[in-house]
Amino acid sequence: DAGVTQSPTHLIKTRGQHVTLRCSPISGHKSVSWYQQVLGQGPQFIFQYYEKEERGRGNFPDRFSARQFPNYSSELNVNALLLGDSALYLCASSSARQETQYFGPGTRLLVL
Amino acid sequence: AQSVTQPDIHITVSEGASLELRCNYSYGATPYLFWYVQSPGQGLQLLLKYFSGDTLVQGIKGFEAEFKRSQSSFNLRKPSVHWSDAAEYFCAVGAIGGYQKVTFGTGTKLQVIP
Repeated sequence: DAGVTQSPTHLIKTRGQHVTLRCSPISGHKSVSWYQQVLGQGPQFIFQYYEKEERGRGNFPDRFSARQFPNYSSELNVNALLLGDSALYLCASSSARQETQYFGPGTRLLVL
Repeated sequence: AQSVTQPDIHITVSEGASLELRCNYSYGATPYLFWYVQSPGQGLQLLLKYFSGDTLVQGIKGFEAEFKRSQSSFNLRKPSVHWSDAAEYFCAVGAIGGYQKVTFGTGTKLQVIP
């Protein structure tokens, strides 16, 4: 079975722009979570979606938003990009019955 | 609020030597505990997890971890390290029974020398 997939793998944007990152969960998984990993730190929780509803939100500004589609794929949107948004953005999926999250390879975003 | 502390930022061990990576957590009830490994430029791979039951958990690649409630610890061990184990290791804690966030530690970078 395919694992969690994310696109694009790398992205370069300039300050003030908008970015959309995409994630496809493992087949059968209904929950998707997003994490931001700044260089040299552990991942920080941004959002969790389950059955297309937001179930949890981390301490991130409103510039960050997400949604989950009927096929359980997900998008993370970031508006008005700042230099500090440069990071590896990780998507993780889990099934409804277990809490283990399986991570994708990430999207590396560089904001110039 | 849940939190994880990994006190060792960087550890160097010789190939074939034993390894122990420390992890202390803070959580109000019985937590889910995880160890993940991340190679440079890659995503996170799950090594092992503890939900309940036997406090000694076996994982992939020969790793094991022991849950000690009295010490709020979940240390990762491997009896004999291979050069391919060089990576960054993250301990994480999550809530049981809900759709909650997983909180990660800051990671321990493992260097393996010949």
